Amino acid sequence: NAGVMQNPRHLVRRRGQEARLRCSPMKGHSHVYWYRQLPEEGLKFMVYLQKENIIDESGMPKERFSAEFPKEGPSILRIQQVVRGDSAAYFCASSPRTESYEQYFGPGTRLTVT
Amino acid sequence: RKEVEQDPGPFNVPEGATVAFNCTYSNSASQSFFWYRQDCRKEPKLLMSVYSSGNEDGRFTAQLNRASQYISLLIRDSKLSDSATYLCVVKVSSYKLSFGAGTTVTVRA
Repeated sequence: NAGVMQNPRHLVRRRGQEARLRCSPMKGHSHVYWYRQLPEEGLKFMVYLQKENIIDESGMPKERFSAEFPKEGPSILRIQQVVRGDSAAYFCASSPRTESYEQYFGPGTRLTVT
Repeated sequence: RKEVEQDPGPFNVPEGATVAFNCTYSNSASQSFFWYRQDCRKEPKLLMSVYSSGNEDGRFTAQLNRASQYISLLIRDSKLSDSATYLCVVKVSSYKLSFGAGTTVTVRA
């Protein structure tokens, strides 16, 4: 049973470009969570999605950031017009149900904005 | 005030030593608590849950003090492979995890 998969693992973008981060949850998991980890800081919750629904996006910056989890395919975190402050590790986690305490994390995507 | 605060360390200890560290949390309504381990530049992995009565998992012991709102982790007989960053995690809703910034432990030979 493959774990949570994220790609790309490393992404370099110039300021102003778009970044697309993909997350495929574990088989049988229909809940996806995105977290961001800035250098020397803890992971911060960004958004919680179920298939075709955004449940909680309270941790997402109001502008430039969006997330989706379509009926088919991976969850996508999209950052438009990236700035240097977006440089971070972005982790995706999945769980089979909300009350399941364990969220299984993917290996992360390290975004560097130059 | 941060939801979860940890001493960043680093804690540098020799093999075989005991090391302990705490974290504090601000939301008194939090119900679930965990320690995760994060190796350099990798994803966090669940180390253990923390129960009110305290619990052990091999060389690891976790304690929860609800009155003072702190959680502790103790590692006995440290191994080189215990070198990592330990993340204190509090579940602040049915799905939202709040992470501390981590405590770095380095075990030397």
